[in-house]
Amino acid sequence: AQKITQTQPGMFVQEKEAVTLDCTYDTSDPSYGLFWYKQPSSGEMIFLIYQGSYDQQNATEGRYSLNFQKARKSANLVISASQLGDSAMYFCAMREPNSGNTPLVFGKGTRLSVIA
Amino acid sequence: EAGVTQFPSHSVIEKGQTVTLRCDPISGHDNLYWYRRVMGKEIKFLLHFVKESKQDESGMPNNRFLAERTGGTYSTLKVQPAELEDSGVYFCASSQAGTSFVDEQFFGPGTRLTVL
Repeated sequence: AQKITQTQPGMFVQEKEAVTLDCTYDTSDPSYGLFWYKQPSSGEMIFLIYQGSYDQQNATEGRYSLNFQKARKSANLVISASQLGDSAMYFCAMREPNSGNTPLVFGKGTRLSVIA
Repeated sequence: EAGVTQFPSHSVIEKGQTVTLRCDPISGHDNLYWYRRVMGKEIKFLLHFVKESKQDESGMPNNRFLAERTGGTYSTLKVQPAELEDSGVYFCASSQAGTSFVDEQFFGPGTRLTVL
């Protein structure tokens, strides 16, 4: 069974608008961590934001926020005020249990294109 | 501080040949991971070193893949003999000792391997 599902292969957004990238996950472990990474055309993977399964509040990092809906097992990434530099692949990932050593499980990614 | 580096950035080889990929983690990071992304699919975990020891190699596809981490510093991933289905982008990531839930994995830029 797929652990991480990203249903949007590609998304377009107008510059300065907000965009939501979907991510659902599947786990029976009560302890897990959710991550979003950005991969620009240069290839490197850039860590954006983290949400722990026991965290009470949704994570935020600058223009990035994570809409964590535990009952629905979703962890959507919201990017506010999109910029041209946000155009990239975005990967949702999970680790279970939520230990610092556990490898990550990734989704297939969503390619975001920001239009001027 | 230097990030995770990988060499080479690209490699094109013929089926049956041998290729060795190298990863230099961030200095002081005990954890080193190898991941692979085949075109259009998820990034998949291959194996995990803690210092020089293999902690988890459950993701290694078969015995044509051999990973080493000499002295707990850099790591190599050798593919011998390479097959067409080995083509993809190989990522290396490193993290600290794993004492925090939020320990992020820092990724290298990846090595794009093409087997003809």
